[in-house]
Amino acid sequence: DIQMTQSPSTLSASVGDRVTITCRASQSISSWLAWYQQKPGKAPKLLIYKASSLESGVPSRFSGSGSGTEFTLTISSLQPDDFASYYCQQYDSYPWTFGQGTKVEIK
Amino acid sequence: EVQLLESGGDLVQPGGSLRLSCSASGFTFSSYGMSWVRQAPGKGLGWVSDISGSGDRTHYADSVKGRFTISRDNSKNTLYLQMNSLRAEDTAVYYCAKSTTGTDDAFDIWGQGTMVTVSS
Repeated sequence: DIQMTQSPSTLSASVGDRVTITCRASQSISSWLAWYQQKPGKAPKLLIYKASSLESGVPSRFSGSGSGTEFTLTISSLQPDDFASYYCQQYDSYPWTFGQGTKVEIK
Repeated sequence: EVQLLESGGDLVQPGGSLRLSCSASGFTFSSYGMSWVRQAPGKGLGWVSDISGSGDRTHYADSVKGRFTISRDNSKNTLYLQMNSLRAEDTAVYYCAKSTTGTDDAFDIWGQGTMVTVSS
């Protein structure tokens, strides 16, 4: 199975900060990577697919980059609505696997 | 509006069975692969199973293989997950999710989730 490792596990930041979350795959997954946002008690929401494609309706302050084994999710200017947990997911090889999550907290 | 609505979650004893349903609306259900993803209390997301749009291809996580069966009824726009031989570690919120295009893709639409608790 492909292991997905996110860092950091928790991130404390302020409104307006630039935030970067990293996701590493245990083997190459080309660009078959998605990023999701999840708020407490709610279903995940797709932000980015194919590593860098912004899902329709998602604010442009979210961006994704990377290929192979190293990927990043960047929030250019953190907004109050962005405090949530974020997960990466690979869909290159079965079984699909998720990172352990990164919780973005208010500093 | 594109929507997924899960049902069927319950409290069940270890070794018991349960069938989850996911009713879809607002899109051509038979054209998209569908998945089940679960989340244990306070934990991260875990993919469980998926099925192609026609229902002819399925895949499972090793942890549920041989115990869970995914299926779909395209005439009813409904996805199912038959869960047998349930274990305490199957306790989780179960989400159904739609693939963005075919089966091998990100999940662009999620249901609200249904809670399964396995306990005596």
